[in-house]
Amino acid sequence: EVQLVESGGGLVQPGGSLRLSCAASGFSFSSYDMNWVRQAPGKRLEWISYVTTSGSSTHYADSVKGRFTISRDNGKNSLYLQMDSLRAEDTAVYYCATTGGGGLNFCYWGQGILVTVSS
Amino acid sequence: DIVMTQTPLSSPVALGQPASISCRSSQSLVHSDGNTYLSWFQQRPGQPPRLLIYKISSRFSGVPDRFSGSGAGTDFTLKISRVEADDVGVYYCMQATHFPSFGQGTRLEIK
Repeated sequence: EVQLVESGGGLVQPGGSLRLSCAASGFSFSSYDMNWVRQAPGKRLEWISYVTTSGSSTHYADSVKGRFTISRDNGKNSLYLQMDSLRAEDTAVYYCATTGGGGLNFCYWGQGILVTVSS
Repeated sequence: DIVMTQTPLSSPVALGQPASISCRSSQSLVHSDGNTYLSWFQQRPGQPPRLLIYKISSRFSGVPDRFSGSGAGTDFTLKISRVEADDVGVYYCMQATHFPSFGQGTRLEIK
């Protein structure tokens, strides 16, 4: 069974940092590109970052570019999101999600982890 | 950025009746490889999104054939042939032809 489990969320002050992790199991993690997607309260889903299977190529939404860094460790079947210079508008549930071949974008999702940025 | 616009925002449907959700993109979603990367997701209350349809009309593993997708270019539709109680939730379209973007969601409720 495919499982993606996010961790590392919580309450942080504006300007602070957090590192999210996503532990994968039940599938060949190294064969899938990976994404982070977030959902602010009452808002639509927002894709924020993508990394290729090897980790050699990454992409970011303009809203987080320069502040967030995506990375992965295929040996540990884990995906990460380093979030720096956090703002109130970064408050959201953060999901990791897989992208497979053949147009299977966001085919598997974690349960999500809440990040709250507030003083 | 590609803007995805869904209609309606809310859809009350009686059990056993069909439902239809439309999604329009601000630009063509035809990729240079010839594919159109338009997907549909279901998000039940308190759950993460679940992929239903990819590349306009391909059903993901385990998705009932009551769900179907159609469209081309900039206009797409998700149809549920006979709504069941389990279908309640918010439905999102998403394009991944360009950097991914989602529609604002359509809330399906039972009338």
